[in-house]
Amino acid sequence: NAGVMQNPRHLVRRRGQEARLRCSPMKGHSHVYWYRQLPEEGLKFMVYLQKENIIDESGMPKERFSAEFPKEGPSILRIQQVVRGDSAAYFCASSPPGGGGYNEQFFGPGTRLTVL
Amino acid sequence: KNEVEQSPQNLTAQEGEFITINCSYSVGISALHWLQQHPGGGIVSLFMLSSGKKKHGRLIATINIQEKHSSLHITASHPRDSAVYICAVVMEYGNKLVFGAGTILRVKS
Repeated sequence: NAGVMQNPRHLVRRRGQEARLRCSPMKGHSHVYWYRQLPEEGLKFMVYLQKENIIDESGMPKERFSAEFPKEGPSILRIQQVVRGDSAAYFCASSPPGGGGYNEQFFGPGTRLTVL
Repeated sequence: KNEVEQSPQNLTAQEGEFITINCSYSVGISALHWLQQHPGGGIVSLFMLSSGKKKHGRLIATINIQEKHSSLHITASHPRDSAVYICAVVMEYGNKLVFGAGTILRVKS
């Protein structure tokens, strides 16, 4: 059973370009979470999704950031018109359905975004 | 004040020493994670617990819900234990994690 997959592992973009980060949850998991780790800072929650639904996006910046988790395929975190301050490691985690907050979250290896 | 506080921020130990990392939180939670992150690396979940104590190999995690406190212990520490250890709480309402700042552990041989 493969773990949480993220790609790309490293992504370089120039200011103003778009960044697309992908997350494939563990098999059987229907809950996906995105977290951001800015340089020299701790991890921060961004968004929590279930299949085709955004459950909690309270940590998402109001502009340029969006996330989706379609019925088929990976979850996508999209950052439009990237700026240098978006440079960070973006981690995805997944958990199985049901159980509320008692389900353990399993983390992917992260995507390290560098904006030039 | 952060909702999740860890101590110490930095810890250097000699190989073989017993290590304790502490986590205090100020919000209602449904569970607590201990995570490990190696430099430039991914995040591994070591434990998730909502009461009592869990043990896995040389690692032990405890939680006291009434006191809003958890500890991670490493027995017979080894240089390969060198990493950042992060406490994260699952908020009582909703599933999102709130993270502590992490404890940077270095174990010298």
